[in-house]
Amino acid sequence: EAGVAQSPRYKIIEKRQSVAFWCNPISGHATLYWYQQILGQGPKLLIQFQNNGVVDDSQLPKDRFSAERLKGVDSTLKIQPAKLEDSAVYLCASSLRLAGYYEQYFGPGTRLTVT
Amino acid sequence: GNSVTQMEGPVTLSEEAFLTINCTYTATGYPSLFWYVQYPGEGLQLLLKATKADDKGSNKGFEATYRKETTSFHLEKGSVQVSDSAVYFCALGFNFGNEKLTFGTGTRLTIIP
Repeated sequence: EAGVAQSPRYKIIEKRQSVAFWCNPISGHATLYWYQQILGQGPKLLIQFQNNGVVDDSQLPKDRFSAERLKGVDSTLKIQPAKLEDSAVYLCASSLRLAGYYEQYFGPGTRLTVT
Repeated sequence: GNSVTQMEGPVTLSEEAFLTINCTYTATGYPSLFWYVQYPGEGLQLLLKATKADDKGSNKGFEATYRKETTSFHLEKGSVQVSDSAVYFCALGFNFGNEKLTFGTGTRLTIIP
């Protein structure tokens, strides 16, 4: 079974530029998550999708971050314009509920450096 | 709100030593508890889980017991190997409704031969 795919793996941009990340979840997984992991911290949820609907985006900085999940499969996360403090690893995860239990599977992440 | 507090790292041990990484949590309701591991250059992987009080999760020689009375989920291993060197994250989540995970800050473990 293929895992969660993310691209690119690394990205370096200057502040005020825009950037987009792509995630392809495990086939059949209805729930998709984007987490931000700043160096030395644990991952923090940015947005959660159930199919193509948003379940939780309470911690997404909506003035600069946006995300979509068209057709309930792939997802993109965009930052425009980027700030220095956006330097982090962006993790995508997907999950499937089985009999009330779920498990999140994580992709390798995209490491963003904003200079 | 929900939060997870983890033992500060980094932790350095000799091979075959006993490992404990402390984790305590604060939550409204009855969360599931998880340990995730991140090996160098790789993504997060679920190491073990426990879904209710007194459950013991185990995998690859690691164990953790869900202690509701002390709100703890400490990770233990009796004899560590060099290959266990990684960053370990304690996390909590709920099975219904909003299923996001709340993570601790991570503990970097280095095992020396």
